[in-house]
Amino acid sequence: QSVLTQPPSVSGAPGQTVTISCTGSGSNIGAGHDVHWYHQLPGTAPKLLIFGNNHRPSGVPDRFSASKSGTSASLAIAGLLPEDEADYYCQSYDSSLSSSIFGGGTKLTVL
Amino acid sequence: QVVLLQSGAEVKKPGASVKVSCKASGYTFTHYGFSWVRQAPGQGLEWVGWISVYSDETRSAQKFQGRVAMTTDTSTNTAYMELRRLRSDDTAVYYCARDDRSALVYMDYWGQGTLVTVSS
Repeated sequence: QSVLTQPPSVSGAPGQTVTISCTGSGSNIGAGHDVHWYHQLPGTAPKLLIFGNNHRPSGVPDRFSASKSGTSASLAIAGLLPEDEADYYCQSYDSSLSSSIFGGGTKLTVL
Repeated sequence: QVVLLQSGAEVKKPGASVKVSCKASGYTFTHYGFSWVRQAPGQGLEWVGWISVYSDETRSAQKFQGRVAMTTDTSTNTAYMELRRLRSDDTAVYYCARDDRSALVYMDYWGQGTLVTVSS
């Protein structure tokens, strides 16, 4: 069971906007630790999508945005494209565990 | 460009050890650290540990403490992760990923992954 909780799956039609939530606790997100997001296409390594709660690395389209509030964070994907179909993971730091932690992952299906 | 190139797939027996390498190029090796992350078949990502190339400081997830060793070789720009006393549930793809040099932050570049299979 992951320390950060994500919905197992979300879906949306091309062009729509979907959001993926990431719920933590007072020892990680709620303690002020940054949240980062990764996506992983089948059979490939994860790639950084968002760092520092809401910053996009060079090359990531602005269709991807993220926010953080309290003990939760969320990733929004606007204008869904078929190639957005992937697994998405949130990641943060937990003070109690002194560890990096990942969410359980969310599978995005583009209908 | 930043490239992390990992060693090839391994098959090990329970109780054995495995050492995975991760050769870095395209940036100043000593300016960053490495996190190691694993992914069991059909499962999510699990953080294993971190090493600072700058200070040689290491940290690992509690479940791996005493079983994992992480090192770096600045002469070859290579990071290593050794996992000892392997069990069948250690079967996973192991990834190296570039992380901050002083703390556990985020992983901006990833290796291609190394499949470690533990089977008798």
